Amino acid sequence: ETVMTQSPATLSVSPGERATLSCRASQSVSSNLAWYQQKPGQAPRLLIYGASTRATGIPARFSGSGSGTEFTLTISSLQSEDFAVYYCQQYNNWPPTWTFGQGTKVEIK
Amino acid sequence: DVQLLESGGGLVQPGGSLRLSCAASGFTFSSYAMSWVRQAPGKGLEWVSGFGSIGGSTHYADSVKGRFTISRDNSKNTLYLQMNSLRAGDTAVYYCARVGYSSLSTVDVYYFDSWGQGTLVTVSS
Repeated sequence: ETVMTQSPATLSVSPGERATLSCRASQSVSSNLAWYQQKPGQAPRLLIYGASTRATGIPARFSGSGSGTEFTLTISSLQSEDFAVYYCQQYNNWPPTWTFGQGTKVEIK
Repeated sequence: DVQLLESGGGLVQPGGSLRLSCAASGFTFSSYAMSWVRQAPGKGLEWVSGFGSIGGSTHYADSVKGRFTISRDNSKNTLYLQMNSLRAGDTAVYYCARVGYSSLSTVDVYYFDSWGQGTLVTVSS
């Protein structure tokens, strides 16, 4: 089973600053890596898939990078609506299973 | 617009059963694989089960294998999750999610591109 580890657990950032979130896989997942944003009381929302492709309607300030075992989500200039919990997720081809990281909470500094 | 609407959650005693439903609209339901993902109170996301769009293949997380059964009725555009032998550890919000697919240059990637609002399952005596 592939274990996904996110860091840091909590990231304190001021509005307008850059946020960099990390996700590490215990074994290579190639580019089968997605990022989600979740706000309190809401369902998760897809931000990035294929490690670096923005989902429909996602602002350009969100970018993803990496492949294999090391991945990064960057928010170039944090807006008030970006304070939330972010999850990475990988997909295993066989058997078809998905695994999430434990999440990184981005909070206002 | 894609819409996924879960129902069927509630309070159930340990050892009991519950069936969740997810009504889909706004897309060709039969063409998509679907999954259930859960989130325990204050915790992270956990994939529970998936149902392929073609061939009817089903898959489960080890934590629910043998107790939960996923199914779908394409004529009703509905996904189901039958949950038996429920435990306190199954207490969570259960989300229905559509599986998105993209073929990149070197790999096919899969992700959850649409989510329902969730339904709360509480297992307690």
